[in-house]
This record gives sequence, structure tokens and C-alpha cells, in this order.
Amino acid sequence: GNSVTQMEGPVTLSEEAFLTINCTYTATGYPSLFWYVQYPGEGLQLLLKATKADDKGSNKGFEATYRKETTSFHLEKGSVQVSDSAVYFCALSGAAGNKLTFGGGTRVLVKP
Amino acid sequence: NAGVTQTPKFQVLKTGQSMTLQCAQDMNHNSMYWYRQDPGMGLRLIYYSASEGTTDKGEVPNGYNVSRLNKREFSLRLESAAPSQTSVYFCASRTGQENSPLHFGNGTRLTVT
Repeated sequence: GNSVTQMEGPVTLSEEAFLTINCTYTATGYPSLFWYVQYPGEGLQLLLKATKADDKGSNKGFEATYRKETTSFHLEKGSVQVSDSAVYFCALSGAAGNKLTFGGGTRVLVKP
Repeated sequence: NAGVTQTPKFQVLKTGQSMTLQCAQDMNHNSMYWYRQDPGMGLRLIYYSASEGTTDKGEVPNGYNVSRLNKREFSLRLESAAPSQTSVYFCASRTGQENSPLHFGNGTRLTVT
């Protein structure tokens, strides 16, 4: 079946540092890939997505590139802010549609 | 624009009690989902409804039932709560197209003592 593996946290950074969160997946067919973000006390929100190989999703300074050869979708941001402190989830939507499979989440804490 | 609305926000139950978690979306989405979120385990799918009139089991359906009341509403019922069901429950919806993102509610924090 489909699965998503992402690095465990917490990841603690200083403001303006570079952030990378690794995500790899196992899936049949050609899944779509997503990053969601969860701020404290809230539900998850879509951060970015990519629907085919070599696509780059971007939003709010975050980027992730769909790498089919390495089955990866790593999230990066060049200069984090305190407001980026949240839990980040990698997810995939398989060719069968409808169901998303989530990774375990990575907590990121950005200190001033 | 309300999006996905869940009620209640918090609930404490005793073992063996029953309750229903309510979810409604106002985005005319076809598909709706119930997830639970536990520390270190990410989100796990309990049940989903691909379209009005259909429901299917997810990864962890035992101990739960669902009802897709109409296109807007999708409820989750615990018939006899157990401490293992202590969790944060999220309802989500999407259009149903393969690449469409999920829209989440703000969650229900349930404690079973």
C-alpha cells in the first residue's frame, strides 16, 4: 500500500535559518504530493502541492520538488520566521483517488 | 466563509458512554473524511465518504460508525467509548477530484476516562 515517511522532529531553528524537512514515499502509479501545515490549535491547511514528476510546488517562501527517481518531496524554506513554527505533514494522493496518506508530521520550532 | 465546521471542540467521556461528533461543510464538496490524530502517529483515516450516499472504512474503523446525512454533513459516532479513543478528531472535505486538496476543520479534542 501507499506510505509516507518524513523526518521526526522536533526541528529547532533560529530565525532566518534554512529549513529542510525530508519526505519520501512509496506508492503505486503516479501520486500527487502535498505538504500541509498545522498551527497550534488548528486543523491542517494545504501549504503546497505537486501533481507530476519534476513539478515544483511553492507557497509563502516554501518549496518542494516532486522527485520520482528518488521518490521524495522534501520541503525547504530559505529563511524561516517565528511564525513558521508549526507541524508540517507530507501526504500523497494515489491514483485510486479519494484517500490521502499522511506522514507522521514534523514539528518545527523557530526561535527569535 | 465557514469552510468545515466541527462540533464540539472539546469533550470528556467516561468509558462506555456514547457520543456523536458533528461535521458540516459549506463548499459543496463531494467527499468527506474523518481522521484521528495521535502523538507520533500522524493522521489516520477512520472512515470516509466519497460521495453522498456512500461510506467506506479507512485504516482504523473499529469502534466507530459514520453517517453521511446529506452532501453537507458527515457525523462520526462512538457507540461505547474506550480510553484508546482519546484523540483529536478532524473532519475534512474535498471536491473529489484526484488532485484536489483536503480542507480541514479545527478538530474535536476527545478524552475518554
